[in-house]
Amino acid sequence: GIQVEQSPPDLILQEGANSTLRCNFSDSVNNLQWFHQNPWGQLINLFYIPSGTKQNGRLSATTVATERYSLLYISSSQTTDSGVYFCAVDYGQNFVFGPGTRLSVLP
Amino acid sequence: NAGVTQTPKFRILKIGQSMTLQCTQDMNHNYMYWYRQDPGMGLKLIYYSVGAGITDKGEVPNGYNVSRSTTEDFPLRLELAAPSQTSVYFCASSYVSRGYTFGSGTRLTVV
Repeated sequence: GIQVEQSPPDLILQEGANSTLRCNFSDSVNNLQWFHQNPWGQLINLFYIPSGTKQNGRLSATTVATERYSLLYISSSQTTDSGVYFCAVDYGQNFVFGPGTRLSVLP
Repeated sequence: NAGVTQTPKFRILKIGQSMTLQCTQDMNHNYMYWYRQDPGMGLKLIYYSVGAGITDKGEVPNGYNVSRSTTEDFPLRLELAAPSQTSVYFCASSYVSRGYTFGSGTRLTVV
């Protein structure tokens, strides 16, 4: 099956800093999503991004499907950005999740 | 607009007991999914459905069963609960295989 890797596994930032999270996948995929799981466990869909670049406020994502990776950019981080960020790739009829990047934003 | 609703939110089961986790969505999505998330880990697919009457196994289906009699509902049945099934269970839905909407999760402990 497909392998999905995320880096870094853990990231600690001061409030206001910028960060880049990476998702690599081992095979061609139909689509890709980024999710944020907040400290209370709720999963929020951030981006549905099979290719190209999308932006939503301080967050943006870029997927280069031909090179099998996606990047999530967080600018001017806030404490509310803390949590785990997952990428998930559409491989067949469902999405396979990566192991996540745990982000802690310190005040 | 409720989205995806899961019940119960918390449950403690004894080894060998059975239960059904309920999931319903009001977005008329055709695809529905059940995932489990163990502590500190990512999500693993248990079962999914691409429409009423159609279900298929995911990565970790053993010990679970599902049914999809309507577009809205996708219950997950645990038979003979085991400690290895202690986890947080998430239901999700999507239109075809586009952006997922997740429920708030069910935290299950088997003792």
